[in-house]
Amino acid sequence: DAGVTQSPTHLIKTRGQQVTLRCSPKSGHDTVSWYQQALGQGPQFIFQYYEEEERQRGNFPDRFSGHQFPNYSSELNVNALLLGDSALYLCASRLAGEVAGELFFGEGSRLTVL
Amino acid sequence: TQLLEQSPQFLSIQEGENLTVYCNSSSVFSSLQWYRQEPGEGPVLLVTVVTGGEVKKLKRLTFQFGDARKDSSLHITAAQPGDTGLYLCAGVPWDSWGKLQFGAGTQVVVTP
Repeated sequence: DAGVTQSPTHLIKTRGQQVTLRCSPKSGHDTVSWYQQALGQGPQFIFQYYEEEERQRGNFPDRFSGHQFPNYSSELNVNALLLGDSALYLCASRLAGEVAGELFFGEGSRLTVL
Repeated sequence: TQLLEQSPQFLSIQEGENLTVYCNSSSVFSSLQWYRQEPGEGPVLLVTVVTGGEVKKLKRLTFQFGDARKDSSLHITAAQPGDTGLYLCAGVPWDSWGKLQFGAGTQVVVTP
């Protein structure tokens, strides 16, 4: 049973470019959340998708957008990259309705913006 | 901005010693979760505490949720090198249950 898978694992971009990160949730899970983890910090919530719609959003600018597909996989897009966007981007999945249920995290995509 | 404050930020101990990590907030949470994250991996859930005053034990790990549901602690007895990792607490807000709020983490290093 595959866990949460993310791609790519590492990537380097320059300021002003755009990036797309991908996530496949754990089998049977239908809710996907994205988190940004800067070096030395805990993860910060970006947004959550369920039934192909953004359900909740954290304090991130509109440059951060996402999408969820009918197969529950998800993408995170970041436009006009800034140096401060350099971070580990984590995708997490869980079953809908499990308020305090376990979040399963992927290994993350390490983005470096030069 | 981390609404949950964890202390200490870094802890280095010898194998066999005990340690305690604290997680404090001015906000009240519906529940609180503890995760451990190892290098190159995502966080892995250790426990969820739901009731104020609750104490949960997982082998050598003991977790407490404060009576006011604002703070928590993680105590490890007789630490082992395999306990090395970044320990993160995360609060589940009452009004936005899908939006976990994480602390900055405590890096624990256990040397043989």
